Formats: sequence, structure tokens, C-alpha cells
Amino acid sequence: NAGVTQTPKFQVLKTGQSMTLQCAQDMNHEYMSWYRQDPGMGLRLIHYSVGAGITDQGEVPNGYNVSRSTTEDFPLRLLSAAPSQTSVYFCASSYSRGPSYNEQFFGPGTRLTVL
Amino acid sequence: AQSVTQPDIHITVSEGASLELRCNYSYGATPYLFWYVQSPGQGLQLLLKYFSGDTLVQGIKGFEAEFKRSQSSFNLRKPSVHWSDAAEYFCAVGITGTASKLTFGTGTRLQVTL
Repeated sequence: NAGVTQTPKFQVLKTGQSMTLQCAQDMNHEYMSWYRQDPGMGLRLIHYSVGAGITDQGEVPNGYNVSRSTTEDFPLRLLSAAPSQTSVYFCASSYSRGPSYNEQFFGPGTRLTVL
Repeated sequence: AQSVTQPDIHITVSEGASLELRCNYSYGATPYLFWYVQSPGQGLQLLLKYFSGDTLVQGIKGFEAEFKRSQSSFNLRKPSVHWSDAAEYFCAVGITGTASKLTFGTGTRLQVTL
């Protein structure tokens, strides 16, 4: 299994540009999430999904959009990039059945810089 | 809402010395608790987790953590630190029944001196 994969690894955008960060998992996990990591702030939840066709907002959803058309993929869209969105973005996935499966597996991250 | 506090931003220990990283949480019910490690430029790797039962949990790489309900703490320990343990460590709390929503602490950066 490849686990959780993210593309691209690095990206530089200009203010106002849009782009999509890709995330895919091959573990048949129901839950998928997006986090952003900023220095001194840990990881903060942006959006999450409990299954195909179902998404919800996390702690910092503004400026981001998500959809979940398949179990495997959970792309994160930046509608109009701003310098405040400069961050490292992590995608994660997990099962939903019972507490012993409540463990998230993280992708390697995408480092985004907005100029 | 739940929250996690890691009071130590940066810790330096000598190789071979013992280590304890502190984590305090706030949550109304019994939480799911996790410790993750992040090496520079890498993603997060799960060290250990607590759901219920034995309050002392063993993880990978020789780490252990103890859940203390009375103190709302889940401190990470290792008896003898190796230089390769230098990394950033994150404590996280998950809400019962909601696998996809973790709240992370701000992290503790561990430096190991030789």
C-alpha cells in the first residue's frame, strides 16, 4: 500500500491564484482530513470528510474548499490564494469503525508559499 | 471544545538521559490521546495512542506514555534518549466517536546533545 499520498510536495503561488492540493489514500478509509501546520501553532483542522459525498468544516475553513466524490480522493482547493495561506498542508485518513481504529495516518505534506 | 497544552516549546537533553514531554488536555469525557513525532521535513508518525484500559501505554521506538485522569495529563517518556530522537513531538486529543477530528498541541521540539 502507498498509504496517504499528496501532490505536489512544493508549490509557489502568487496572491489571487487558485490551485488544488491533491490527496489520495489506498487503505479504504472512510475518514479523511486536511490540516495546516504553522510555526508555534501545531496542526489545525481545515476540513474533513466522513465518507464520499459528505464534508464538514474544521477549525480554519475560510479560503478553502473541499469535495469528496470518491472514497480514495480528497482534494483541497484554494479559491484565491493569500499570503496568510502560506503553510505546510497535511492530509490524513482513518477508519471509522470503533475506537481501536481511531488513528489517523498522515501524508508527507505539501509546502505552499503564497507571494 | 477540547484543547491540548504542551507547555514546553523546546527541550534539550543529553544522549542517554531520560526524557519526559508534558501534555495536558481539556475534554469533558474520556478522550482518545495520541503522541505523534515529526522529523524535519517529514510527515507525522504515530508513536502511541490511548483509548481505554491500562493507563500506561507502550509505543514504538521505546516510548511510553501514562494517562492520568486526575491530572488531565498524558506525558510521554523515554528512559534513554538517542540522537535520532531529535524531532518535534505533538500531543493530540480526539473526540470519542469522531475519528477525523484531532486537536493538536503546539508541539515540543526536542534537541539531543552528544
